[in-house]
Amino acid sequence: SAVISQKPSRDICQRGTSLTIQCQVDSQVTMMFWYRQQPGQSLTLIATANQGSEATYESGFVIDKFPISRPNLTFSTLTVSNMSPEDSSIYLCSVELPVAGADNEQFFGPGTRLTVL
Amino acid sequence: GQNIDQPTEMTATEGAIVQINCTYQTSGFNGLFWYQQHAGEAPTFLSYNVLDGLEEKGRFSSFLSRSKGYSYLLLKELQMKDSASYLCAVSLPYSGGGADGLTFGKGTHLIIQP
Repeated sequence: SAVISQKPSRDICQRGTSLTIQCQVDSQVTMMFWYRQQPGQSLTLIATANQGSEATYESGFVIDKFPISRPNLTFSTLTVSNMSPEDSSIYLCSVELPVAGADNEQFFGPGTRLTVL
Repeated sequence: GQNIDQPTEMTATEGAIVQINCTYQTSGFNGLFWYQQHAGEAPTFLSYNVLDGLEEKGRFSSFLSRSKGYSYLLLKELQMKDSASYLCAVSLPYSGGGADGLTFGKGTHLIIQP
């Protein structure tokens, strides 16, 4: 398994500002992902954070709005830019690790609860 | 697009058995995951199926039929702490370029009654 921490755990932000969320893993991992979970909804994949190259975004998500950094194999950041109330959500990072009996398993961080006023 | 369906809510009794179904129609398949998510917490891994058949892990079992695009999660000897949302997720090959990124269903909110 992996121990994943996220900072901040929660924040309340003003419209038009930006927030950077950090994700730290206790071991080196190749694959890191960022998800969003809007109130009462399931998780939606935002992007794959690639170490040493640009992130790969899912349909509906763009780099200008959600820039991602992945400077090494244990750390990534997600920035929510020019926030609006619609960005109020829980943002989770996850890592993929090989697990006995499964090709790979995704472990999730505790999440960052963002409220935009 | 990708489509993963599961019931919105189910209710079961403590000590009983419950089966949560998940059907999927996706443009590829690298495996199916079940996660448990308690309110306000991150999802935690329950099971993974990539081949047809039943995988058993203690009180929890998961079944997969790839030809039918169907899976279920079976919970036995239900306990009050099993009240949570259960998320079905499919791993797609290079979905949008994100290798092994998961596509989630909307989740099933399971309520356990005494």
